[in-house]
Amino acid sequence: SAVISQKPSRDICQRGTSLTIQCQVDSQVTMMFWYRQQPGQSLTLIATANQGSEATYESGFVIDKFPISRPNLTFSTLTVSNMSPEDSSIYLCSVEKVRRTSVNEQFFGPGTRLTVL
Amino acid sequence: GEDVEQSLFLSVREGDSSVINCTYTDSSSTYLYWYKQEPGAGLQLLTYIFSNMDMKQDQRLTVLLNKKDKHLSLRIADTQTGDSAIYFCAETSYNTDKLIFGTGTRLQVFP
Repeated sequence: SAVISQKPSRDICQRGTSLTIQCQVDSQVTMMFWYRQQPGQSLTLIATANQGSEATYESGFVIDKFPISRPNLTFSTLTVSNMSPEDSSIYLCSVEKVRRTSVNEQFFGPGTRLTVL
Repeated sequence: GEDVEQSLFLSVREGDSSVINCTYTDSSSTYLYWYKQEPGAGLQLLTYIFSNMDMKQDQRLTVLLNKKDKHLSLRIADTQTGDSAIYFCAETSYNTDKLIFGTGTRLQVFP
């Protein structure tokens, strides 16, 4: 398994500002992901954080709005830029360790609950 | 895109069995998963089933898969108050290795 921590656990922000969320894993992992969980909705993958190169974004998400860094194999950040109330959500970091089978087993952090006023 | 649907709420009495249902549309699913999210915590993988299986049992958990109807269920025997959480089903497929999640079912267990 993997132990994942996220900072901050929650925040209330003003419209137009930016927030950077940190994700720290207790061991080196191959894959790190960022998800959004909007109220009453399922998890949506924002991007895959690639170590040493640019993140891979899913349809509907762009780097200017959600810049991601991954400087090493245990740490990543997601920034939510120029926030609006529609960005109010829970943001989750997840990791996948070395894949030995075709099962996609991911371990999730506790999430960051963001409220934008 | 592919869809995964769940009912939003389920309420059961402690000691009874819970059955959480999920339907999906992707005919090329490879694995189907059940994740549990407790309040303030991240999602935890409970169990998974390969798409060519129809049942998997793991202690109090039984997963049933009807591939023809694209219907997945999670049965929790002897449900306890500690089982109160949100349960997500998810799938991966031959088309994409990404996890596609359902909306989650909030299970409430009362004494």
